[in-house]
Amino acid sequence: GQNIDQPTEMTATEGAIVQINCTYQTSGFNGLFWYQQHAGEAPTFLSYNVLDGLEEKGRFSSFLSRSKGYSYLLLKELQMKDSASYLCAVGDSNYQLIWGAGTKLIIKP
Amino acid sequence: IAGITQAPTSQILAAGRRMTLRCTQDMRHNAMYWYRQDLGLGLRLIHYSNTAGTTGKGEVPDGYSVSRANTDDFPLTLASAVPSQTSVYFCASSDGTGEVNEQFFGPGTRLTVL
Repeated sequence: GQNIDQPTEMTATEGAIVQINCTYQTSGFNGLFWYQQHAGEAPTFLSYNVLDGLEEKGRFSSFLSRSKGYSYLLLKELQMKDSASYLCAVGDSNYQLIWGAGTKLIIKP
Repeated sequence: IAGITQAPTSQILAAGRRMTLRCTQDMRHNAMYWYRQDLGLGLRLIHYSNTAGTTGKGEVPDGYSVSRANTDDFPLTLASAVPSQTSVYFCASSDGTGEVNEQFFGPGTRLTVL
């Protein structure tokens, strides 16, 4: 079957760095996406990886290793507004997104 | 309209009733999707449409139907609602088919079936 695994919840301190991991097993691979979802709101796109390596976008970076079925989202200089759930999703062989359950990130002052 | 809109925002529905959730996008995206999101579970695909006039079944299609008469609209119908369909429903759209592109989400509909 297809499976996306992420930690359920993480806690970090304002100003610090946090890494959210995602491992996946899917039928085929057509890219890996990270989305941010604030409580009661819709998911919004953060990043996309299709080749191995690190993609940097401001305070957020995303890494992919296709051979290991592994990705992480790195958030630097954490701000209180970064408190949200972070969703990992993988494009499968049918060009559909398979979603992880999300990681709830709690930022403490 | 800018992006994707959904209606209603929330609804309480008696079991056995019929309900249609509306979704409209103005981005001229080919593909549209309906997901449900339940606590502790990832977004699960209910139905999708790669282009106007075509639809497909996702991971959890039972009890739901969709239509895609034009590019902009993609309504989701619950023919006879059951309590297990209590969930938050998100409509999404993306540009292009035959590849996986960024999906844009509507604000969601919170549905409670009693």
